[in-house]
Amino acid sequence: SQTIHQWPATLVQPVGSPLSLECTVEGTSNPNLYWYRQAAGRGLQLLFYSVGIGQISSEVPQNLSASRPQDRQFILSSKKLLLSDSGFYLCAWSRTALGEKLFFGSGTQLSVL
Amino acid sequence: KQEVTQIPAALSVPEGENLVLNCSFTDSAIYNLQWFRQDPGKGLTSLLLIQSSQREQTSGRLNASLDKSSGRSTLYIAASQPGDSATYLCAVVGQGGKLIFGQGTELSVKP
Repeated sequence: SQTIHQWPATLVQPVGSPLSLECTVEGTSNPNLYWYRQAAGRGLQLLFYSVGIGQISSEVPQNLSASRPQDRQFILSSKKLLLSDSGFYLCAWSRTALGEKLFFGSGTQLSVL
Repeated sequence: KQEVTQIPAALSVPEGENLVLNCSFTDSAIYNLQWFRQDPGKGLTSLLLIQSSQREQTSGRLNASLDKSSGRSTLYIAASQPGDSATYLCAVVGQGGKLIFGQGTELSVKP
C-alpha cells in the first residue's frame, strides 16, 4: 500500500532563516506531487505541483521554492523566511491520471517569529 | 476562475442528527469533486470522490451528491456521532487538473 511521509510535524523558525520541508511517498512510482499551504481559518492554497523529476510548476509568486530530486521526494524550501510564510503546509500525492484521488501527508505547522 | 464556497462555515448539532453540508462552485466544467475530512492539526483524508458523470457516491453513513449544472454538491451525514467532529472540505478538479478547495465547514457533534 502507498504511504506518504512529511516532516517535521512542527517547526518554529526566526524571520530570515532558511527552510526545508521534506515529503516522501512509498509504494507507488511516478506520482504527481503537491505542496499546499493552509493559513489559519482559510482554505488550502496550491503552492507547487510536480508531474515528474525536476518538473515543478509554481502556482503563486512567493518566497518559496520546490524541488523534486527523486521520483518520490518533494522538498519545499526558502532561503529567507518571512512572517507571512507561517502556516500549515501539506504535501500530497496522486496517481498520474487526471482526477485521481489526492492523498495527504500529516502536515507541518510552521511558525515564523 | 473557479471558486468554491462552503456553507455554513461552522455547524454544531446534537448526536444522532442527520445533517447536510453544502458546497457550490462557479464553473460547472469540472472533472470531479472530492470531499475531505480534516481533524485539527492533521492532514486531509479523502472521503468520497464523485466523477462529473455521476450524481452521487455513498460510503457508510456518508452520501455525497453532485448537481454539475447548478454547481452544487452536498455531503449528507446520517446519524451523526461525536467522532464525526472535524472540518469537512470539498474540492473540484477542473480541466486543468488542479484541485480547488473550499474553505471548509467545521462540524461539532455534541454528545
